[in-house]
Amino acid sequence: GENVEQHPSTLSVQEGDSAVIKCTYSDSASNYFPWYKQELGKRPQLIIDIRSNVGEKKDQRIAVTLNKTAKHFSLHITETQPEDSAVYFCAASISPLVFGKGTRLSVIA
Amino acid sequence: DAGVIQSPRHEVTEMGQEVTLRCKLISGHNSLFWYRQTMMRGLELLIYFNNNVPIDDSGMPEDRFSAKMPNASFSTLKIQPSEPRDSAVYFCASSLTSGGANTGELFFGEGSRLTVL
Repeated sequence: GENVEQHPSTLSVQEGDSAVIKCTYSDSASNYFPWYKQELGKRPQLIIDIRSNVGEKKDQRIAVTLNKTAKHFSLHITETQPEDSAVYFCAASISPLVFGKGTRLSVIA
Repeated sequence: DAGVIQSPRHEVTEMGQEVTLRCKLISGHNSLFWYRQTMMRGLELLIYFNNNVPIDDSGMPEDRFSAKMPNASFSTLKIQPSEPRDSAVYFCASSLTSGGANTGELFFGEGSRLTVL
């Protein structure tokens, strides 16, 4: 089955800097790659997703890139703000979603 | 729609007791997933259903765990007997899938935090 590796497990950045989180997956048949944000004590919520026919997608300060040949995808957050502090999970799917272990992002004001 | 609804939000029980967690899907969704979240293991898929049918239960840790979906909108996850290592947050999630492929957004409930003493 699918296996998703996520790095780093923790990440601290200064407010205004960029943050990058990287994931690799094992099943070349996976075709859907969402990213979820989980604030402390809350449920995971989708922030952005990308499908295998697209190489990059942007939504304001958030962007995701996908390299199907190398089987890796990344989340980029620019101009980080304190409210970006949370745990971020990548996932890959043909069905069902398999999640990475998460990255705890801390944005220091 | 109120979203995915889970109950109870918190459960504290003693080892050996039966625990039942409940989940109501978003109306119109046809897939349901039970995940377990711990610090050590992250979000683990326990079981998922598509159109009320269990598709993959390979993530269910032991025979002590069982899940049912008696109708299109409701599911239960039961642990009997419970053990301290079952302590975790259990999330239910639902989505709308087509042709068995999960290519739509997964909507999570608020989770049920289980503590087994």
